[in-house]
Amino acid sequence: QAVLTQPSSLSASPGASASLTCTLRSGINVGTYWIYWYQQKSGSPPQYLLKYKSDSDKRQGSGVPSRFSGSKDASANAGILLISGLQSEDEADYYCMIWYSSAWVFGGGTKLTVL
Amino acid sequence: QVQLVQSGTEVKKPGASVKVSCKASGYTFTNYDVNWVRQATGQGLEWMGWMNSNSGNTGYAQKFQGRVTMTRDTSINTAYMELSSLRSEDTAVYYCTRNPSESGDFDFWGQGTLVTVSS
Repeated sequence: QAVLTQPSSLSASPGASASLTCTLRSGINVGTYWIYWYQQKSGSPPQYLLKYKSDSDKRQGSGVPSRFSGSKDASANAGILLISGLQSEDEADYYCMIWYSSAWVFGGGTKLTVL
Repeated sequence: QVQLVQSGTEVKKPGASVKVSCKASGYTFTNYDVNWVRQATGQGLEWMGWMNSNSGNTGYAQKFQGRVTMTRDTSINTAYMELSSLRSEDTAVYYCTRNPSESGDFDFWGQGTLVTVSS
């Protein structure tokens, strides 16, 4: 089982909100980890969005709109990237990442379609 | 402004080695680590390893141990990633990215270098 699991795709309408999940493997407690989020548009390198550990421990990337925010769902053992007020430019692949067992580990990515 | 500029496209035969460079500008090179991440066509991101640009200390993903070497030349603010014993599965775009030590804030990325491994 992968360390981080993300749904492969998600669709949402312009103006709506999208909640992208990043589920940690059983036995890896989401509460103790910083969850990092990256956005990658087609043909471009990834861009740093934000990191989230708790409501008092979080950081937004430089220039990243406040429409992007992080949270956790402890009951689901998952990190969440919430994008509100979806815009067409938000259509991209989104990756979560944690530091686990002396390595940076990426989730498989979620392709977000805005239509 | 911060920039990471990578070397150009490479085509290699199976069994060969490739060395990709990443030239940094716009910041103090030795104040940040350099990480390397690769991405096969249509696939996700795969972390390869990190290097402390000041000390030269490195840490590699288990998958690449023994095949990857990360180095730097601080006189020209350039990091290098060399991957040996190439196979077709190593065909990918390779990215360098910088981050503060012990943080996953990969805030600037190189443009990527396509490495194609083909006989």
